[in-house]
Amino acid sequence: NAGVTQTPKFQVLKTGQSMTLQCAQDMNHEYMSWYRQDPGMGLRLIHYSVGAGITDQGEVPNGYNVSRSTTEDFPLRLLSAAPSQTSVYFCASGTSGGSANTGELFFGEGSRLTVL
Amino acid sequence: GENVEQHPSTLSVQEGDSAVIKCTYSDSASNYFPWYKQELGKGPQLIIDIRSNVGEKKDQRIAVTLNKTAKHFSLHITETQPEDSAVYFCAASNYKLSFGAGTTVTVRA
Repeated sequence: NAGVTQTPKFQVLKTGQSMTLQCAQDMNHEYMSWYRQDPGMGLRLIHYSVGAGITDQGEVPNGYNVSRSTTEDFPLRLLSAAPSQTSVYFCASGTSGGSANTGELFFGEGSRLTVL
Repeated sequence: GENVEQHPSTLSVQEGDSAVIKCTYSDSASNYFPWYKQELGKGPQLIIDIRSNVGEKKDQRIAVTLNKTAKHFSLHITETQPEDSAVYFCAASNYKLSFGAGTTVTVRA
């Protein structure tokens, strides 16, 4: 009964370092997405995917890359970390209504990233 | 793109009282309006949603109303309990889901 699993839960990086946040879901959902949560700004969409091999940008994609080689996995890569990327990151999955998500999203427990 | 505004940012209520959170959206084509609850240290979880062909939906102590003409929707929690203390997010979707900034609800015993 895992649902959406994110790793790591906590990470500290130095400016300029790169890293990958992992996300896996076992619900056979077509739609997967990454959000960042910052105080007073809610959840902002970084990137999303409506199926294996298909990805698209959200509101705040700069500095992040994604790929979707399987239905289950949707990693988020930070290419060269900056202090502005200090945030809590959430991965979410759901059923896909055509080209975008229009149903319930299931969220992971989050990954807290600090960039020094 | 869609812009969702949520008020208030914080809400403190006495146990047993009602809580109301209001949201407005900008894109008249949005047709799906979910509400998520986030407990401390957890990811958000869907508590109720409404689609644009419905004006009101209720699930036990939780209800949501939608006014498409005015482009606003609200969450109503009745008979609040301590376990209702959390951050609540509204969202609106036409093509992509856009979230409001969140409301921190504290239920005082």
